[in-house]
Amino acid sequence: GESVGLHLPTLSVQEGDNSIINCAYSNSASDYFIWYKQESGKGPQFIIDIRSNMDKRQGQRVTVLLNKTVKHLSLQIAATQPGDSAVYFCAVTGGGNKLTFGTGTQLKVEL
Amino acid sequence: SQTIHQWPATLVQPVGSPLSLECTVEGTSNPNLYWYRQAAGRGLQLLFYSVGIGQISSEVPQNLSASRPQDRQFILSSKKLLLSDSGFYLCAWSSERFQPQHFGDGTRLSIL
Repeated sequence: GESVGLHLPTLSVQEGDNSIINCAYSNSASDYFIWYKQESGKGPQFIIDIRSNMDKRQGQRVTVLLNKTVKHLSLQIAATQPGDSAVYFCAVTGGGNKLTFGTGTQLKVEL
Repeated sequence: SQTIHQWPATLVQPVGSPLSLECTVEGTSNPNLYWYRQAAGRGLQLLFYSVGIGQISSEVPQNLSASRPQDRQFILSSKKLLLSDSGFYLCAWSSERFQPQHFGDGTRLSIL
């Protein structure tokens, strides 16, 4: 089955710097990828997604990069703000509507 | 716009007691519905999903069950709770393929 892992459980960045959160997946047939943000005591909030026919997608202050060759996904947050502090999850689907989630990276923004 | 509601937000139950968590979705028809459990500091584990009324798929063998009595209602139940059932339970919905799942704010379940 699919396995998804994040490279770092905790990432600390200075306010205003760019953040990069990484994720690796195992199934080369995976075709849809999502990043979620989860604040304490709340459900995951959709940030951005990308399909396997793309390698980059941009949103407001966020960019997702997909490297299918090495099965790697990253989330870049520009000009990180204190409100960006949360746990970030990547989620991957390889057919159907079921998602496999990574274990999450805690992003801490230092003032 | 679509919204998803879960209740209660917090629940404390004794071991061996029954459980019923409810999730409803508004603003969409025939959604795919999901129940997840999240242990502290961990990712989300899919428990059940449903593509239509009365259609339930179980992902993990356990003493929990799910039902979908109406198109936009998804219920998670147990006849007898175990200590290991403690956790954060999340309901989610999605529409078609290549659309993200959207989550409710969860129920924090503590078993004593």
